[in-house]
Amino acid sequence: EIVLTQSPATLFLSPGERATLSCRASQSVSSYLAWYQQKPGQTPRLLIYDAFNRATGIPARFSGSGSGTDFTLTISSLEPDDFAIYYCQQRRNWPRTFGQGTKVEIK
Amino acid sequence: EVQLLESGGGLVQPGGSLRLSCTASGLTFGNYAMTWVRQAPGKGLEWVSTISGIGDLTFYADSVKGRFTTSRDNSKSTHYLQMDSLRAEDTAVYHCVKGGHDSPYDIWGHGTMITVSS
Repeated sequence: EIVLTQSPATLFLSPGERATLSCRASQSVSSYLAWYQQKPGQTPRLLIYDAFNRATGIPARFSGSGSGTDFTLTISSLEPDDFAIYYCQQRRNWPRTFGQGTKVEIK
Repeated sequence: EVQLLESGGGLVQPGGSLRLSCTASGLTFGNYAMTWVRQAPGKGLEWVSTISGIGDLTFYADSVKGRFTTSRDNSKSTHYLQMDSLRAEDTAVYHCVKGGHDSPYDIWGHGTMITVSS
């Protein structure tokens, strides 16, 4: 099983600041990594797929990078609506796995 | 607009069974793999199972293998999860999700809550 480790667990930032979230895989997932956003009480939403492709309707302030075992989700300038939990997920191997999540909180 | 609507959740005793259904609209259902993802209260996301578009391939998390069975009826645009031998640790919101075999999870249902308790 591929283990995805996200860091940090919690990120305290202010609106307008840049957020950098990390996801590290225990073995290569090539570029088959996605990022999801989940707000409290809401369903997860696909942000980024295949490491760097923005999903339909996702603002340009969200970007993904990386390949192999190290990936980054960057939010260039945090909006109030961006404070949420972010999960990475791999589809390289079965079983599919998610990271444990990074919570972006208002400082 | 693509929509996924789950049903079948509820309270069940340990060792019991439930069947979840997910009805899709707004898409050619048989063209897409479908997945179940669960989230225990206050916890993260856990992949449960995936079925291919024509239903010939199924995949399961080790935690549910041998107890849960996924299936689909493309004529009804419906995806199922038969859950047997339920345990307390199966308590979660179960989301029906479009995608999963060779594509990301781009559409999520709102989920149905399963509580396993005596």
